[in-house]
Amino acid sequence: NAGVTQTPKFQVLKTGQSMTLQCAQDMNHNSMYWYRQDPGMGLRLIYYSASEGTTDKGEVPNGYNVSRLNKREFSLRLESAAPSQTSVYFCASTPGGAGNQPQHFGDGTRLSIL
Amino acid sequence: AQSVTQLDSQVPVFEEAPVELRCNYSSSVSVYLFWYVQYPNQGLQLLLKYLSGSTLVESINGFEAEFNKSQTSFHLRKPSVHISDTAEYFCAVSTIQGAQKLVFGQGTRLTINP
Repeated sequence: NAGVTQTPKFQVLKTGQSMTLQCAQDMNHNSMYWYRQDPGMGLRLIYYSASEGTTDKGEVPNGYNVSRLNKREFSLRLESAAPSQTSVYFCASTPGGAGNQPQHFGDGTRLSIL
Repeated sequence: AQSVTQLDSQVPVFEEAPVELRCNYSSSVSVYLFWYVQYPNQGLQLLLKYLSGSTLVESINGFEAEFNKSQTSFHLRKPSVHISDTAEYFCAVSTIQGAQKLVFGQGTRLTINP
């Protein structure tokens, strides 16, 4: 019962390098999300995909791009990594539709930018 | 826009003591309210949610939260905590209309001392 799977779990990058964070869910959910978690700031929404084929900006989209590859997969790309993007990144999914559905989270990707 | 404030960044308590984690929110529209829990090195898990109806909601592991519309609060309580409750707790809101986008508070780290 995998739920939401994120890869990799850890990554260290140098400033200016690019990287794609992968996320896949096996619950047939329509909506998927990317958050970043920083100490004292809770989780902040980067991008989300309400359904396959759509993506929208969240609260902190600058420096990121996303791709909803299919219903299962939602990737997050850093084109030119900056130290300010050092964070823990979480992917989440929900059945979609009503706002009362709980979100299911992956275990996170810990990313350090040197 | 919505905002969530968790009034305590850290709460230390002794085992078997009661605890209250405070959450206040601001929104010009109706919202759903959630509490999520994050254990070390894991993603977030839903603890409980308020959608409508009775203002007191309970979780399976003894936590409860009360929705107070006049005070725009959704405080989390447990009458007797255990070591296993050590975690970070996040309060979040989502608008009733439109695609679900969670807005999180800053988090409260609950530490249980023996």
